[in-house]
Amino acid sequence: EAQVTQNPRYLITVTGKKLTVTCSQNMNHEYMSWYRQDPGLGLRQIYYSMNVEVTDKGDVPEGYKVSRKEKRNFPLILESPSPNQTSLYFCASRTYTDTEAFFGQGTRLTVV
Amino acid sequence: GQQVMQIPQYQHVQEGEDFTTYCNSSTTLSNIQWYKQRPGGHPVFLIQLVKSGEVKKQKRLTFQFGEAKKNSSLHITATQTTDVGTYFCGANFGNEKLTFGTGTRLTIIP
Repeated sequence: EAQVTQNPRYLITVTGKKLTVTCSQNMNHEYMSWYRQDPGLGLRQIYYSMNVEVTDKGDVPEGYKVSRKEKRNFPLILESPSPNQTSLYFCASRTYTDTEAFFGQGTRLTVV
Repeated sequence: GQQVMQIPQYQHVQEGEDFTTYCNSSTTLSNIQWYKQRPGGHPVFLIQLVKSGEVKKQKRLTFQFGEAKKNSSLHITATQTTDVGTYFCGANFGNEKLTFGTGTRLTIIP
């Protein structure tokens, strides 16, 4: 089954404790991205990657890091989480051309 | 910057009434996509519009792309409780980046 898998689904952590949210897709898609969803602000892009070892900043990259060592995986790293990073996060993937995006199930992160 | 405005933010309708959400850009779009997110779920692709003036239908849903390729709309005829959710447009400006509108949350009053 074609899918994008995120883990964990829910996470409560404390300020400053490094964390990683994993994202994996099994569709051989070149393009992967991370979004955060906040009430009234919609989906805002954090980082994206057009292929292995190619990443670039989206609209709200501050406080986040990503890596793309393998085509299928695109982890999101918060080196020192802060409460303003409390949000619902989605990973998405698609082929390189303008095609539909497939979203993961989401990760609800709370930073206290 | 490349932004797409989506209105309204919320829409409450009686079951059986129609619903419309609009997306507008100040610059020409390469194409536009529409997604639906059910409560507690993740965005799911509905359709992509590419051509100027394009109109596509999916059962009770009608999608339009403006002649200037700067605006788009999603219209639902005779809403049902299964239509509840948030509808997003996703705009492609021709640079591989997908920029989303802020979404319209549809609630249905039975």
